[in-house]
Amino acid sequence: DTEVTQTPKHLVMGMTNKKSLKCEQHMGHRAMYWYKQKAKKPPELMFVYSYEKLSINESVPSRFSPECPNSSLLNLHLHALQPEDSALYLCASSKDEQGLGQPQHFGDGTRLSIL
Amino acid sequence: QKEVEQNSGPLSVPEGAIASLNCTYSDRGSQSFFWYRQYSGKSPELIMSIYSNGDKEDGRFTAQLNKASQYVSLLIRDSQPSDSATYLCAVMKLTGGGNKLTFGTGTQLKVEL
Repeated sequence: DTEVTQTPKHLVMGMTNKKSLKCEQHMGHRAMYWYKQKAKKPPELMFVYSYEKLSINESVPSRFSPECPNSSLLNLHLHALQPEDSALYLCASSKDEQGLGQPQHFGDGTRLSIL
Repeated sequence: QKEVEQNSGPLSVPEGAIASLNCTYSDRGSQSFFWYRQYSGKSPELIMSIYSNGDKEDGRFTAQLNKASQYVSLLIRDSQPSDSATYLCAVMKLTGGGNKLTFGTGTQLKVEL
């Protein structure tokens, strides 16, 4: 069990569906992250939120839309995804995105399958 | 040249032996260094963090950093079968938008009975 909670754990959706991934942490962390991880590959950074503001977007397609409603919550809205978007989506948080050396703690991930 | 390089393995060691995992990075501006363990089908788990040259020990784990050689390593003493996993080296640097963490491709460790 981790202190970063992601829901749902598994998600199967069609290419025309709209769904959202949710992430929650109650460690008082002010930086939150979305990563995508394909099988046998390392996690790849998608988005960074620092103090509820989007600070890094790694040129992610617009069919992925992040949202940070408050300091504890991070959402990833999905629309019109492609089969190649099937992957493990990881949320992470750290104390302060501006603070050097702050380790990131990962949730258990959402395994997403696009039909 | 990849930003963070690791030997993909698998690295096989007998139970009770020392496992040595290595990582090199290309950006001299990198400031913080981490080792994560990832079991198959699970998420990465932070094992060690190191920020300055030298060794840092935590239980059976020792991280070593040499910034001049751009080299990070992880030693696991008294290896156990439960240590069998993929070990990800991760390097952090400050970019225009903030801190960015880049992972190596990971080294698969197998501890054999």
